[in-house]
Amino acid sequence: GAGVSQSPSNKVTEKGKDVELRCDPISGHTALYWYRQRLGQGLEFLIYFQGNSAPDKSGLPSDRFSAERTGESVSTLTIQRTQQEDSAVYLCASSLVALNTQYFGPGTRLTVL
Amino acid sequence: SQELEQSPQSLIVQEGKNLTINCTSSKTLYGLYWYKQKYGEGLIFLMMLQKGGEEKSHEKITAKLDEKKQQSSLHITASQPSHAGIYLCGADGEGAQKLVFGQGTRLTINP
Repeated sequence: GAGVSQSPSNKVTEKGKDVELRCDPISGHTALYWYRQRLGQGLEFLIYFQGNSAPDKSGLPSDRFSAERTGESVSTLTIQRTQQEDSAVYLCASSLVALNTQYFGPGTRLTVL
Repeated sequence: SQELEQSPQSLIVQEGKNLTINCTSSKTLYGLYWYKQKYGEGLIFLMMLQKGGEEKSHEKITAKLDEKKQQSSLHITASQPSHAGIYLCGADGEGAQKLVFGQGTRLTINP
């Protein structure tokens, strides 16, 4: 079956612009996660969704970052007024239910000039 | 908060050789995951370990979780070029939904 998909695969933007990153989880997976991987660093947790709600937003680095999820499907991560330090690979994962194995998408590579 | 330390950070081995990657946790592991990452492919799930002393194998890759549940090892037998990539261990953070990851081990296989 189809895995987690993310779009775009690459995004180059200018400092100060807003960007939207999209994640399509595996069909039927109720839990969805966003992580960030900056160059040379490990994965940082950003936010977790159970269904539509986000019980854990503890990893969002600032109020410029927000995310939403429609039904138990697509999620969008929005970064407003991008900064150069936002450059990273943004990875989305989904799991059947919380605390189950997470399956990752290919990521979106964001470059802020 | 829980931290995972992987060793070595980088590993270069000759094709056909065996190798081991370690993942040590600062706290008891309740669920330990091994992933492999290649450029442009995201993270590929390899194995998940939960019980102390548990061992799982997939093809030529074996992962173990020690009895005290604070360390895991990943062993590759007769390495092949297809094994090259970055190996990441991740752990359930004490009931939290997110995974905490190690820094990764970059594996290079020389022909």
